[in-house]
Amino acid sequence: QQQVKQSPQSLIVQKGGISIINCAYENTAFDYFPWYQQFPGKGPALLIAIRPDVSEKKEGRFTISFNKSAKQFSLHIMDSQPGDSATYFCAAIPSSNTGKLIFGQGTTLQVKP
Amino acid sequence: DTEVTQTPKHLVMGMTNKKSLKCEQHMGHRAMYWYKQKAKKPPELMFVYSYEKLSINESVPSRFSPECPNSSLLNLHLHALQPEDSALYLCASSQVPPPLTGAGVGEQFFGPGTRLTVL
Repeated sequence: QQQVKQSPQSLIVQKGGISIINCAYENTAFDYFPWYQQFPGKGPALLIAIRPDVSEKKEGRFTISFNKSAKQFSLHIMDSQPGDSATYFCAAIPSSNTGKLIFGQGTTLQVKP
Repeated sequence: DTEVTQTPKHLVMGMTNKKSLKCEQHMGHRAMYWYKQKAKKPPELMFVYSYEKLSINESVPSRFSPECPNSSLLNLHLHALQPEDSALYLCASSQVPPPLTGAGVGEQFFGPGTRLTVL
């Protein structure tokens, strides 16, 4: 069974700090690893994504690090702001593209002022 | 237009009611999805439409009936729901429909959702 495990379940960071969320997967047949950000009462929004042939991708304050041999990837939020407080989901899409995103369980991030 | 819109935003219905959720996108995407999300959980896939044809039904009970009238519209018809069906129902779309692969695969754009309460 394809799975993506995400940790931690919740995270509290001071304003200006670095938030780090980790994910690990158990199946090598994944082709794409997106991260989604979801605010309360809203739909998830695609934040940043990476392919397995790239080790790092940076967009503004958000960076994905990808370790193919360890089957792990992580989201780093630099200079975390209160407006970043949200739930973050990592996900993976199978190489066969069934259309089914395999989501992690989510991390609730709170950035304190 | 880079939005997925959903109506209504909130819906309260009794177990004997029939109602419909609507979703629309004008990004030219050829895949559309219905998800169900419970509080503090990730979205759970219900249905996938690829080129307006149902390609995945994740063993969803028949009281949920999807419909894709055209490439921009997706409906979810609800009938005889149970209180445990109360959830946030999300619609999404993607440029690369399954089973195609390539750039853009996995990039699903979600709508704001419909908060459904079944009494």
